[in-house]
Amino acid sequence: QSALTQPASVSGSRGQSITISCTGTSSDVGSYNLVSWYQHHPGKAPKLLIYEDNKRPSGASDRFSGSKSGNTASLTISGLQAEDEADYCCCSYAGSSTWVFGGGTKVTVL
Amino acid sequence: QVQLVESGGGVVQPGRSLRLSCAASGFTFSSNAMHWVRQAPGKGLEWVAIISFDGGSKYYADSVKGRFTISRDNSKNTLYLQINSLRAEDTAVYYCVREEDAFDIWGQGTMVTVSS
Repeated sequence: QSALTQPASVSGSRGQSITISCTGTSSDVGSYNLVSWYQHHPGKAPKLLIYEDNKRPSGASDRFSGSKSGNTASLTISGLQAEDEADYCCCSYAGSSTWVFGGGTKVTVL
Repeated sequence: QVQLVESGGGVVQPGRSLRLSCAASGFTFSSNAMHWVRQAPGKGLEWVAIISFDGGSKYYADSVKGRFTISRDNSKNTLYLQINSLRAEDTAVYYCVREEDAFDIWGQGTMVTVSS
């Protein structure tokens, strides 16, 4: 149950697009279409942005999109806005009814 | 509205026990698997445990296996986490989470601090 690997920080200017990577292994990210992404503002409850690699739940902004290639999943934020400044975390099903999260990425809007 | 409210956190001495609770409302609690997820200070989220909708199946992260017990009372719409033999590394915010299309509903969390 090793944590998925995310960059510690990513930054971009307002209106730009940024991409956050999430690298796992063939035992988790690469084996299941069950990667999800969460936005987490400090002191608040995390919010689901993407599930099953690339699906958006109702209520999530379409500026957020997910993709996956092999053992690496990605979250793209388009049209970066000030309120997007937060921590972003990926999660993958890891088999045997266990899950694994990434270390989290802090997004800064310049 | 759909809501999860955790309680039971606090400052506890190493080696002691603690029981966290999570009150669910606004949805049919007995229909969903539920999880506990924690976040240590300055660290990322860590999955802790899952319990099936009926309480019949339970699974744990290796880091807590043998010390943590997840349970639920569907008649009370409440999820529990019993934590025994607390260690400094258990210091974290503990979140109660509903599973439906991944982890779709999170509580605000309850802080557990293990300190002498």
